[in-house]
Amino acid sequence: DSGVTQTPKHLITATGQRVTLRCSPRSGDLSVYWYQQSLDQGLQFLIHYYNGEERAKGNILERFSAQQFPDLHSELNLSSLELGDSALYFCASSVGRYDTQYFGPGTRLTVL
Amino acid sequence: AQTVTQSQPEMSVQEAETVTLSCTYDTSESNYYLFWYKQPPSRQMILVIRQEAYKQQNATENRFSVNFQKAAKSFSLKISDSQLGDTAMYFCAFMKHVNNAGNMLTFGGGTRLMVKP
Repeated sequence: DSGVTQTPKHLITATGQRVTLRCSPRSGDLSVYWYQQSLDQGLQFLIHYYNGEERAKGNILERFSAQQFPDLHSELNLSSLELGDSALYFCASSVGRYDTQYFGPGTRLTVL
Repeated sequence: AQTVTQSQPEMSVQEAETVTLSCTYDTSESNYYLFWYKQPPSRQMILVIRQEAYKQQNATENRFSVNFQKAAKSFSLKISDSQLGDTAMYFCAFMKHVNNAGNMLTFGGGTRLMVKP
């Protein structure tokens, strides 16, 4: 158990819908990262927050957004969902910006 | 941009034997970090080992060790005394050290390792 929690574990929804994925970092960690793992794209970085501020964006679609709240938990919002958004979404956290990232168990999103 | 390449999509090893997984990377950075993560069938991403580029000494964690060749941009993982529980997908990852910016992981495509009894 890495200490990073993600909810829900599984999510099944329809095209065009909107979902919110939630991540609670390890106690004391200020950095939260989101990654997407799909069969065709592999593991890809989406976005990084550090102590509430966005620090970097990767290959994140405009339909996707995220935020980190004052209690340091983070949410990833996915809207206008398409079949191709089906993937495993990981949250990872680290103490600072150069520290090892520890991953949560992931949220498996299936878009039908 | 950084790229990470794992040239072995699949490997197998007999229990108790030693296996080496390969990873090469391409970067113009001089200060960075390298990692190996394993992803067992449960799909959880688990840290195996971390190496700082400024350290010449190769990292070791119990049965896991790396061969870090900075000039060759190579970072291989050696698993000694392989156990059935080592069966997993192994990902090599790169993180650059950049001030005032995000420090994301760039992953290779993975190597699927099967440990046979």
